[in-house]
Amino acid sequence: QLHLQESGPGLVKPSETLSLTCSVSGGSINRRSYSWAWIRQSPGKGLEWIGSIHYNGSTYFNPSLKNRLAISVDTSKNRFSLKLNSMTAADTAVYYCAREDVDPATLCFDYWGQGTLVTVSS
Amino acid sequence: DIVMTQTPLSSPVTLGQPASISCRSSQSLVHSNGNTYLSWLQQRPGQPIRLLIYRISNRFSGVPDRFSGSGAGTEFTLKISRVEAEDVGVYYCMQATQFPWTFGQGTKVEIK
Repeated sequence: QLHLQESGPGLVKPSETLSLTCSVSGGSINRRSYSWAWIRQSPGKGLEWIGSIHYNGSTYFNPSLKNRLAISVDTSKNRFSLKLNSMTAADTAVYYCAREDVDPATLCFDYWGQGTLVTVSS
Repeated sequence: DIVMTQTPLSSPVTLGQPASISCRSSQSLVHSNGNTYLSWLQQRPGQPIRLLIYRISNRFSGVPDRFSGSGAGTEFTLKISRVEAEDVGVYYCMQATQFPWTFGQGTKVEIK
């Protein structure tokens, strides 16, 4: 069974950069049929797709966040990471990582992490 | 962005009775390849979000057959044939036809 686990700071100061990592176990991140995604959930905006990365490093981002966003993958450690800069209170949310099945026959988020709460406050 | 609108936002149901959730998209979800990338997700308290249905009506591995999905174009429905206690939670529709991927606002299913 695939398992994803987010890790990172629970508290970030305004204007700082958020760094989160998603560790994947029970399966390789090095699979052509999958991308690896970040999604967040806040009371005000609900679920919001942030961006995704394929194992080969190609990325695609939500246009609303792309100027502040970087996503990277480390296949040797079977994990991928998110960096979101210029954090504001509006970025306070639960951040999830998920596997994105990119097969044209499916195209969905099939496995999710538990989520990690990130609060932006001084 | 494609806006996904779910109704109702809350659905109190009696155990053993059916439940139905609607999801409407602001644009057709038919992809240029002919597929429709509408999926349904379940969020139960304390549990990771779980994929129930993908591409309108395909149940994901391990999902009980009391869950079914239907619809086409811009109108979609998730049905639970007989609600069980473990079905309590929030249900989301999601589209992956057009970037950026977007989600419905969620429907809370609770027991009466």
